[in-house]
Amino acid sequence: DTGVSQDPRHKITKRGQNVTFRCDPISEHNRLYWYRQTLGQGPEFLTYFQNEAQLEKSRLLSDRFSAERPKGSFSTLEIQRTEQGDSAMYLCASSPPGLAGTNEQFFGPGTRLTVL
Amino acid sequence: GNSVTQMEGPVTLSEEAFLTINCTYTATGYPSLFWYVQYPGEGLQLLLKATKADDKGSNKGFEATYRKETTSFHLEKGSVQVSDSAVYFCALSGQGGTSYGKLTFGQGTILTVHP
Repeated sequence: DTGVSQDPRHKITKRGQNVTFRCDPISEHNRLYWYRQTLGQGPEFLTYFQNEAQLEKSRLLSDRFSAERPKGSFSTLEIQRTEQGDSAMYLCASSPPGLAGTNEQFFGPGTRLTVL
Repeated sequence: GNSVTQMEGPVTLSEEAFLTINCTYTATGYPSLFWYVQYPGEGLQLLLKATKADDKGSNKGFEATYRKETTSFHLEKGSVQVSDSAVYFCALSGQGGTSYGKLTFGQGTILTVHP
């Protein structure tokens, strides 16, 4: 399967712990996005990478969140000092080169985070 | 900022019924519009898209027309099947500037189709 993959699929942690999620995009895709989805809502944009450069970060993202995409391949999203409000599904998507606004984004299965 | 509003759900239909899910948007400039679908146990996938006014996107019997005058992108299907049961998300992507293609989603509409 050559789609977007995410690891882990589920993560349960205690409040105050740090967690890290990984996303492997489709290999030819230079754009990578992270979104967060809570129950009953649509995904909300968190951050965007073009190759290895992080070009935008949502104001929704507190300083406890950090994302990287070394070498422009896989990406990691780290949450420090987790809070119960961080419980959500974290989605990664990638899209190919071209006009960003019109391109389809391919989504991974998501990582479901539960903070106890 | 950009926003998308979808009709309240859930929607429950019998097989072969006609489906409409309303979607309206607020955006500056000329956004691209998308419908994504999430089948049970699966990730989000693109259903159809339209990138300019009056374009019609279509796929798997679903259609939606980009109406700039009413800022709408309603999803329709003439005859739904049980296999269409899923959550449907309307989304837009801004053009140019610093939009970078990020998607703004509606809250989603749950569709259940009974035999």
